Amino acid sequence: DTGVSQDPRHKITKRGQNVTFRCDPISEHNRLYWYRQTLGQGPEFLTYFQNEAQLEKSRLLSDRFSAERPKGSFSTLEIQRTEQGDSAMYLCASRGWAGVYNEQFFGPGTRLTVL
Amino acid sequence: ELKVEQNPLFLSMQEGKNYTIYCNYSTTSDRLYWYRQDPGKSLESLFVLLSNGAVKQEGRLMASLDTKARLSTLHITAAVHDLSATYFCAVDRDDKIIFGKGTRLHILP
Repeated sequence: DTGVSQDPRHKITKRGQNVTFRCDPISEHNRLYWYRQTLGQGPEFLTYFQNEAQLEKSRLLSDRFSAERPKGSFSTLEIQRTEQGDSAMYLCASRGWAGVYNEQFFGPGTRLTVL
Repeated sequence: ELKVEQNPLFLSMQEGKNYTIYCNYSTTSDRLYWYRQDPGKSLESLFVLLSNGAVKQEGRLMASLDTKARLSTLHITAAVHDLSATYFCAVDRDDKIIFGKGTRLHILP
């Protein structure tokens, strides 16, 4: 499978715990994006990387959130001291430079439930 | 700030009917995307529109783009139940992609 993969697919945690999600982009895609989607809403941009550099972070990304892409390949998103409001689907997407359409490809998402 | 508005947000329609979903955006953009999302699933890319007047069709779905009006439409022809899903438009500007709230489409058999 050469698509975007995310792990885990589902995560249930208790309030106050830390969680970490992983995203593996399509190989050779240099840009990687994280989105959060709550029930009934569209995906909201959180942050994105070009290679290993984190180029932009949304105001939605509070101090409890941190994302890394250490070698410009896979990325991790960590949420510290989770709150019930963090419950959402976390989507990862990647894109490269090839082709005029240059579209994003989404992974299956990680559904987080904070009890 | 780039904003993307879709309407309607909910649409219930009979099989066999035609309908259009509208997507307005607030500033110029590089690309416009339409995605489909089934409940509990990720996003499936439907169309990428680049230039003014672009029109793309796939099966019963047709998307168009008017960059001067900052408007895209997704037209559904002779709807079938399998098209029931949530449809999102998204606008790409400076490498950042902003989504609308989505249109939840329910097609009644």
